[in-house]
Amino acid sequence: AQSVSQHNHHVILSEAASLELGCNYSYGGTVNLFWYVQYPGQHLQLLLKYFSGDPLVKGIKGFEAEFIKSKFSFNLRKPSVQWSDTAEYFCAVFSGTYKYIFGTGTRLKVLA
Amino acid sequence: DTAVSQTPKYLVTQMGNDKSIKCEQNLGHDTMYWYKQDSKKFLKIMFSYNNKELIINETVPNRFSPKSPDKAHLNLHINSLELGDSAVYFCASSPRSGTGSLTGELFFGEGSRLTVL
Repeated sequence: AQSVSQHNHHVILSEAASLELGCNYSYGGTVNLFWYVQYPGQHLQLLLKYFSGDPLVKGIKGFEAEFIKSKFSFNLRKPSVQWSDTAEYFCAVFSGTYKYIFGTGTRLKVLA
Repeated sequence: DTAVSQTPKYLVTQMGNDKSIKCEQNLGHDTMYWYKQDSKKFLKIMFSYNNKELIINETVPNRFSPKSPDKAHLNLHINSLELGDSAVYFCASSPRSGTGSLTGELFFGEGSRLTVL
C-alpha cells in the first residue's frame, strides 16, 4: 500500500536556523510530489510541487525541496527560518489516480 | 474572490442532529474532494467527485452523504452526528494538465470546524 512518512513530528528552531523536514514515500511508479503548509487556524496552501524535470524545486517564501528518486524522498529545506514560518507542514504524494496520500504532518515552531 | 469557499466555517451542534456543509469552487476544476482533519492534524480523504460522479468513497460511514449538483459544487450532509465526527472538514478541488490528466495539486477551502457536543 502507498504511504508517506514524515519522520519529524515536532520541530522547534530559533529564527535564522536552517530547516530540513524529511519526507519518504512508498510507491514504485511515477508520482507527483507536494509540500503544503497550514498556518495556525488556516487552510492548507501549496508550498511547492514536483512533477518532472529538475529534482530541485523552489517554492514560495524561500522554501525548496529535493526529489531523490533512489531514496523515495522529497525533503523540504529552508536556509534561514523566520518566526512567521511557524506552521504545520504536510508532504503529499499523488500517483495519478484520484487519490492523494498525505503524510502525518510536521509541526514547526520558530522561536523569535 | 475566494477560489474554494465553504460554509459554514464553524458549526456547533448536538449529538444526533443532521447538518450540512456546502462547498463551491470557481476555478473551473472537474474534480472535488472532501477531507477530514482530526485533532492531531491528520488529513484523511473522504470522497472524491469528478464531473458530479462519485469516484472515491474511503470507507466513510454511510451517515455521510456527499452531493454534487454540478461540477462546481460538492456538499456534505451528515446524519445522526456523533462525538467522533468533531473535526475540521476541508473541501478541495484539483485541476487537469493540458493533456487532461489530473495534476494532483489541491486547492483547499478554508475549512469548516464541526464540534459535536
